[in-house]
Amino acid sequence: EVVMTQSPATLSVSPGDRATLSCRASESVSSDLGWYQQKPGQAPRLLIYDASTRATGIPARFSGSGSGTDFTLTISSLQSEDFAVYYCQQYDVWPLTFGGGTKVEIK
Amino acid sequence: EVQLLESGGGLVQPGGSLTLSCAASGFTFNNYGMSWVRQAPGMRPEWVSAIGFSGGHIFYADSVKGRFTISRDNSKDTLYLQMDSLRAEDTAVYYCAKDSRAVGGHWFDPWGQGTLVTVSS
Repeated sequence: EVVMTQSPATLSVSPGDRATLSCRASESVSSDLGWYQQKPGQAPRLLIYDASTRATGIPARFSGSGSGTDFTLTISSLQSEDFAVYYCQQYDVWPLTFGGGTKVEIK
Repeated sequence: EVQLLESGGGLVQPGGSLTLSCAASGFTFNNYGMSWVRQAPGMRPEWVSAIGFSGGHIFYADSVKGRFTISRDNSKDTLYLQMDSLRAEDTAVYYCAKDSRAVGGHWFDPWGQGTLVTVSS
């Protein structure tokens, strides 16, 4: 199966700062990559699909890039509601797999 | 508004069975694939099973193959997961999730609120 590795595990950021999260696939997944945000006690919420397309209703401060094996989620100016855990997911091959997550915490 | 409401979770003994349901509303259910995704406490989500719009194109994770059965009733807009031979490692919150396409295997949007399954004696 395709192993998804996210880094860093924890990112400490001040409100208003930029956050850059990485996701690496063990083999190429083309652009078949999504990003999700999860807050405590809630289900994951889709942010980005096809590596760089924002989902409906997602603010423009969220952007995704990359293809093949290396992907990035950028939050341009962190708001208080953005502190959460972020997961990447590949859907290029079965089984669908998720990364281990990056927790974005307040610095 | 798309809504997915899971039910059927609870405490079950190892080796036991449980059936989860997911009632869908706010979209044309029989146009989309659906999946079950689980998440153990403090762990990453783990995709469990997917089913296509018509009930075909069924896929399972190796960890549940032969023990879990996914199905859907398009007349009731409901997705199911029959879980047999349950193990402690099946303990997790189980989410149903709407696929972006008619045949499963893409991104999920949205997810339900989840139902907790605990396998313990």
